[in-house]
Amino acid sequence: GEDVEQSLFLSVREGDSSVINCTYTDSSSTYLYWYKQEPGAGLQLLTYIFSNMDMKQDQRLTVLLNKKDKHLSLRIADTQTGDSAIYFCAESGSAAGNNRKLIWGLGTSLAVNP
Amino acid sequence: DGGITQSPKYLFRKEGQNVTLSCEQNLNHDAMYWYRQDPGQGLRLIYYSQIVNDFQKGDIAEGYSVSREKKESFPLTVTSAQKNPTAFYLCASSIYKNTEAFFGQGTRLTVV
Repeated sequence: GEDVEQSLFLSVREGDSSVINCTYTDSSSTYLYWYKQEPGAGLQLLTYIFSNMDMKQDQRLTVLLNKKDKHLSLRIADTQTGDSAIYFCAESGSAAGNNRKLIWGLGTSLAVNP
Repeated sequence: DGGITQSPKYLFRKEGQNVTLSCEQNLNHDAMYWYRQDPGQGLRLIYYSQIVNDFQKGDIAEGYSVSREKKESFPLTVTSAQKNPTAFYLCASSIYKNTEAFFGQGTRLTVV
């Protein structure tokens, strides 16, 4: 079945780069997403990438997609304490028509140390 | 401002009581979703609806019920049949057949 895997924890120093990794199984997914969740809050869409792209950059965020290895990464440059949160990877899934829905990873908890 | 609103933010209920969580959106989205979040378990889909007056069970629908009488509203009822209802509940919406989801701020339900 469809599955998305992420490492559960990452700790970095303020100012360093963070790289959060994700692997997925469904090669027919059209979109792959990164969401951010701060404590006690809902999820916020950070960025997404089409499956026919290799890279997408948006200010401090860089998304890399390796379709051959079904590997997605999110790099946060110059990580700040405000980046401390849980980051979720999600894929759009391959179900057709009305049944298409997101497949979620368990989330990576990023801790930024001063 | 367009958005998706969940209420209340915190909810306490006694065991054995049904409770309804509210979710309203003014984004004109066709699809709406309810997720449950427990520590270390990510997001699990309870129910989703792609159109008014229609909804489908997700992965953990037992002990929950929903309705979709209006496009803007997708309330979730946690019934007494749900064995472990204490959790953080998230509502989301998306444009029809587009999986990019927008989330509410969540409702933390505690059953005592």
